[in-house]
Amino acid sequence: AQKITQTQPGMFVQEKEAVTLDCTYDTSDPSYGLFWYKQPSSGEMIFLIYQGSYDQQNATEGRYSLNFQKARKSANLVISASQLGDSAMYFCAMRAGGAAGNKLTFGGGTRVLVKP
Amino acid sequence: ETGVTQTPRHLVMGMTNKKSLKCEQHLGHNAMYWYKQSAKKPLELMFVYNFKEQTENNSVPSRFSPECPNSSHLFLHLHTLQPEDSALYLCASSHTDLSYGYTFGSGTRLTVV
Repeated sequence: AQKITQTQPGMFVQEKEAVTLDCTYDTSDPSYGLFWYKQPSSGEMIFLIYQGSYDQQNATEGRYSLNFQKARKSANLVISASQLGDSAMYFCAMRAGGAAGNKLTFGGGTRVLVKP
Repeated sequence: ETGVTQTPRHLVMGMTNKKSLKCEQHLGHNAMYWYKQSAKKPLELMFVYNFKEQTENNSVPSRFSPECPNSSHLFLHLHTLQPEDSALYLCASSHTDLSYGYTFGSGTRLTVV
C-alpha cells in the first residue's frame, strides 16, 4: 500500500526566510508522481509543484522547489523568501499506479505560520 | 477560479433535511472525486468516478449518495445527516495519467445542526 508521511504538524517561519517541509513516501510501484498542495484557511486546495519518479532534476516553480531524493523516498518542499501569504496548511501527495489504483494519496499536512 | 466549481460554499442543514452539493468542471477531465475534510483529521476520499462510472466507495454511509450524470458534473446528495458529518467537502477532477494531480474546487463547508 502507498503511504505519505509528513512528520511536522506545524512550524513557524520568519518572513523572508526559507522553510523546508518534510515528506516521505512509500510505494512499490516504480512509476509515480509526487505533488504539493497549499490549503489556506479559506479551504481551497491549490496545486504548487509536481515531481515525476523518473525526473532527473528537482522540480522548481517560482519560490517553490522540491528536493527529491529517490533512494531515501523523500520529497521535501522548500519555500524560499517566505511571505505572510504563505501561511497555510501544506499537503504532500502521491499518485501511483498498480495496486494504488492511480489515486492521489495525501499526507497529514503541515501548518506553516509566517511571522512578520 | 480553479476550473472546478462547487456550490454552495457554505451550507447549514438540520438532521432531517435533504440537500445536495454540486460540482462542475469543464477541464476535459475524465475522473471526479469527493473528499471529506474534518477538523484535525486527514483528507478522506469518499467516492471516485471514472468516465461517469463509480469505481470506488470508501465505506461511506448511505446517507451520502453520489451522482455523476456526465463527466463534467458530480453531485453529493445528503439526507438525515449527523452532527459528526459537519466538515469541508471537497470535489476534485483529474486526467487518469499519473503525471496529473487533481484540480480541486473551493469546497462546501457543511454544518449539521
